Amino acid sequence: EAQVTQNPRYLITVTGKKLTVTCSQNMNHEYMSWYRQDPGLGLRQIYYSMNVEVTDKGDVPEGYKVSRKEKRNFPLILESPSPNQTSLYFCASNLAGAGDTQYFGPGTRLTVL
Amino acid sequence: GEDVEQSLFLSVREGDSSVINCTYTDSSSTYLYWYKQEPGAGLQLLTYIFSNMDMKQDQRLTVLLNKKDKHLSLRIADTQTGDSAIYFCAEIPMDSNYQLIWGAGTKLIIKP
Repeated sequence: EAQVTQNPRYLITVTGKKLTVTCSQNMNHEYMSWYRQDPGLGLRQIYYSMNVEVTDKGDVPEGYKVSRKEKRNFPLILESPSPNQTSLYFCASNLAGAGDTQYFGPGTRLTVL
Repeated sequence: GEDVEQSLFLSVREGDSSVINCTYTDSSSTYLYWYKQEPGAGLQLLTYIFSNMDMKQDQRLTVLLNKKDKHLSLRIADTQTGDSAIYFCAEIPMDSNYQLIWGAGTKLIIKP
């Protein structure tokens, strides 16, 4: 089954404790993105990657890092989480091109105390 | 910069038609999308329209695009309780490197 998986689905952590949210897709997609969703703000792109070892900042990259060592995986790293990073995070992937459908993961709800 | 705007809430009676509206600012938009997010779930593509079209119909869904006014709408005929969700409008401007510009989402509330 074609899918995007994220782990963990829920995480409560404390300020400053490094964490990683994993994202994996099994569709051989080139393009992957991370978004955060906050009430009234919709989806804001954090980082995206157009292929292995090619990553670029989205609209709200501060406080986040990503890596793309393999095509299928695109982890999101918070080196020193802060409460303003409490949010719902989505990973997405698509093959390439403007008309291609983005497939979304189920989301990771992160709370930073 | 580019912007996509939607109302945050829409309330309709079961069986009526729902019309969710979206306005955007970038006239170079190539594709415009409607995504659906059910409670506790990720986003699912509902439909999309290419910028050289003005209408697209798919079963109960009708998408209308007015390029002159930069207005996109999604009509859901015979709205059912299963249509309760947040609906996101998104666009891809011509020079955006395939980055989607998202609206804030419209929460569709169905009244019995």
